[in-house]
Amino acid sequence: GESVGLHLPTLSVQEGDNSIINCAYSNSASDYFIWYKQESGKGPQFIIDIRSNMDKRQGQRVTVLLNKTVKHLSLQIAATQPGDSAVYFCAESGNAGGTSYGKLTFGQGTILTVHP
Amino acid sequence: EPEVTQTPSHQVTQMGQEVILRCVPISNHLYFYWYRQILGQKVEFLVSFYNNEISEKSEIFDDQFSVERPDGSNFTLKIRSTKLEDSAMYFCASSEWNEQFFGPGTRLTVL
Repeated sequence: GESVGLHLPTLSVQEGDNSIINCAYSNSASDYFIWYKQESGKGPQFIIDIRSNMDKRQGQRVTVLLNKTVKHLSLQIAATQPGDSAVYFCAESGNAGGTSYGKLTFGQGTILTVHP
Repeated sequence: EPEVTQTPSHQVTQMGQEVILRCVPISNHLYFYWYRQILGQKVEFLVSFYNNEISEKSEIFDDQFSVERPDGSNFTLKIRSTKLEDSAMYFCASSEWNEQFFGPGTRLTVL
């Protein structure tokens, strides 16, 4: 069946370093991918998304890369700050065109810890 | 900034009891969702709702679960007869188009 999974469950970095969080997906029909940040006791917070017709998208301090050939997604955080410490989930939607009523399938999550 | 709200923040119930979890989606959103997250695990899709009907549901969303939009602002998840394994964080989400906005969640504890 379809699944979205993460390579690394935990990542520790020093403040100011760049962080890279990886995600693999198995559903080749997936056409919309999202990264969420979840802080303790809170709901997932949208970070950045990308459609399957793109291979890179940049936001403020964050970049998402999509490699459809190997079904791999990554989130790069530049100049990581202590406030970036959280669990990061990748998610995919398999609906054609990334329509909003599509369910999101979440990965297992990576715990990012940023040391001052 | 508009946000999704959920009540209660924590619900404790006895096994076999009915619970209703409440959500107020962002006002101009048309698509609504429920997800759950068992402690330490990933977020799992339960159900999506659009135009006053269920669009899609997962295997988890069995006959014990139901959703309703009783008025123009609330979106509820009902579990008719709770089981121990229903203990989890339940997140409501809403979207206008692609981006799903999540609420803070309701922690359901079934004893």
